[in-house]
Amino acid sequence: NAGVTQTPKFQVLKTGQSMTLQCAQDMNHEYMSWYRQDPGMGLRLIHYSVGAGITDQGEVPNGYNVSRSTTEDFPLRLLSAAPSQTSVYFCASTGQGGGNTIYFGEGSWLTVV
Amino acid sequence: GQNIDQPTEMTATEGAIVQINCTYQTSGFNGLFWYQQHAGEAPTFLSYNVLDGLEEKGRFSSFLSRSKGYSYLLLKELQMKDSASYLCAVRDKRKAAGNKLTFGGGTRVLVKP
Repeated sequence: NAGVTQTPKFQVLKTGQSMTLQCAQDMNHEYMSWYRQDPGMGLRLIHYSVGAGITDQGEVPNGYNVSRSTTEDFPLRLLSAAPSQTSVYFCASTGQGGGNTIYFGEGSWLTVV
Repeated sequence: GQNIDQPTEMTATEGAIVQINCTYQTSGFNGLFWYQQHAGEAPTFLSYNVLDGLEEKGRFSSFLSRSKGYSYLLLKELQMKDSASYLCAVRDKRKAAGNKLTFGGGTRVLVKP
């Protein structure tokens, strides 16, 4: 099983560039989320989705957009990258029952110069 | 909102026991998670508590007191491979929140020979 797949694993962007971090899960999970983790810190929620067509903001949504056109995919878009968005990004998914097992992707390391 | 506190760093000796405390203040509580995260990797699930008491799982145990807003993770018979960050996270009670987690800053545990 693939689980939660994130791409790319590493990316360097110039300030002002745009890009999309891809996240896909093959477990038919309803709930998906994006977190960012800055050095020496815990994870902070950017955006989340409780099902296809439904998204909402988390703790740190500014500078990011998401969409959920299918159950499987939950891409995160940076419209105009800033150095403050240099971070590690984790996608997560879990079943609708609010199960206790939350699956994380392997992470995407993003540097904005 | 949610506020979660845990110590930044702890050091212990191989074979010893370490207890990582986590205190939280939350407007809605639906479970507390502990994750282990090695440097450069995604968080991996360790334990989940939703009712008061102790949950034991091999060398790792987790305790919860909802009335005190307090949890701890106990690591016994420490091994060098236990050197990692340990993240405490609280789940939002609202069903519409999906599996929203709020994370503490993480506790870096260093195990010395």
